[in-house]
Order: sequence, then structure tokens, then C-alpha cells
Amino acid sequence: DSGVTQTPKHLITATGQRVTLRCSPRSGDLSVYWYQQSLDQGLQFLIQYYNGEERAKGNILERFSAQQFPDLHSELNLSSLELGDSALYFCASSTGLGGYGYTFGSGTRLTVV
Amino acid sequence: EDKVVQSPLSLVVHEGDTVTLNCSYEVTNFRSLLWYKQEKKAPTFLFMLTSSGIEKKSGRLSSILDKKELFSILNITATQTGDSAVYLCAVEAEYGNKLVFGAGTILRVKS
Repeated sequence: DSGVTQTPKHLITATGQRVTLRCSPRSGDLSVYWYQQSLDQGLQFLIQYYNGEERAKGNILERFSAQQFPDLHSELNLSSLELGDSALYFCASSTGLGGYGYTFGSGTRLTVV
Repeated sequence: EDKVVQSPLSLVVHEGDTVTLNCSYEVTNFRSLLWYKQEKKAPTFLFMLTSSGIEKKSGRLSSILDKKELFSILNITATQTGDSAVYLCAVEAEYGNKLVFGAGTILRVKS
């Protein structure tokens, strides 16, 4: 157990729907990162939060949004889902702002049908 | 645009062989290079490299960084079937922000 908890582990939903993925960072970690891993794209950075504030944004679609709450857990919201959104979504956390000590959760596998 | 390229894309070896995985990068404001092993799910951290020429070792795995030539290698000696995984190279570009990942090298070790 890495200490980073992601729920749910698996999600199957229909096109056009909206889902919320949840991540609880490792105890003491202030930074949360979201990544998408699909077969043809590898691990792609989506967004980072640090202590509740958005810190960096990658190639995140406008249909996707995220937030980090006061208790430091984070949610990634995916709406108007398309077949191409099917992927593994990873959350990672780190103590500070740097990549050192970056720990990944076990991921949420999203299947859009 | 920041880029990380890994080679080979895949590799099949026999137990006991030594393998070398390559990672080259082009990023602005390089801070560190990290290696991860990904089996079924979450990538697990192997090494972080920040300085050129200093080898990091952990058991049969070792890695080194060349900041002048912008590459790193990951060596695995006396490979075992348990080493079968995807090995990911990532670069931290800009302090405190994202990791840029390569596509990974799929290693399969046959018994």
C-alpha cells in the first residue's frame, strides 16, 4: 500500500455521462497530481494542486475539472464522457512541490461504453 | 515542448541476462530524472537522479545520468522473471510541477 488511496478502482459508464474520481494523498503530502494513462498516449500529466490551490495544468480537457479540498483530498471530475476517455487515471502525491518522493495511487480504470 | 524518449520500446531477455534501458530528454529547466517500475498498476519509484556521473544503485539495479548529453541509463543485472514490467523514465521540469514521462520500455524476462 503506497499510502495514496484512489476510489473507485474500476468504473464503467456510458458516453455522455459524468463521473468523479477521488484521491486521498499520503499523510503529510500537500501536493496532488492527476495523470491519465491510455494505451496510445502513455502517462500524461493533467493537473496539480498544492495545499488547495491549482499549481500547474497539463493537457487537461475543458470537460475535465479538479479540486483539492481543505482536508487535502482531491477529486477529478470528468463530464460529457467519450469513448476516448477510457484510460487509467492515476493520482500521485508528494510532500512539497517537487517530484522527489512522488507516490502513485493504484489508479482508477475508467471504461466508457 | 518537453520530451522524453525511451528505448528500446520492448525487450525480451532470458533470466540471468543484463539489460540496459535508455532514456533521453529535452526539457527546459531540468531539475531531476526519475525511473519507475510499473507492473500491474501503480508506477513504483526506483531512482531519482540530479547530478551527472553519480551512479545510484539498489541491488541489481543501477542508474546514471549524463546532463551534458541529456540521457540516462538504467541497468539491471542477473535479470529475474520478477523484473518483467514496464520501466518508465520521467523528468521533472520546472520546480514543483509535473513529471514528463517517456512511453516506457516493456521488459519481459523469460525463465
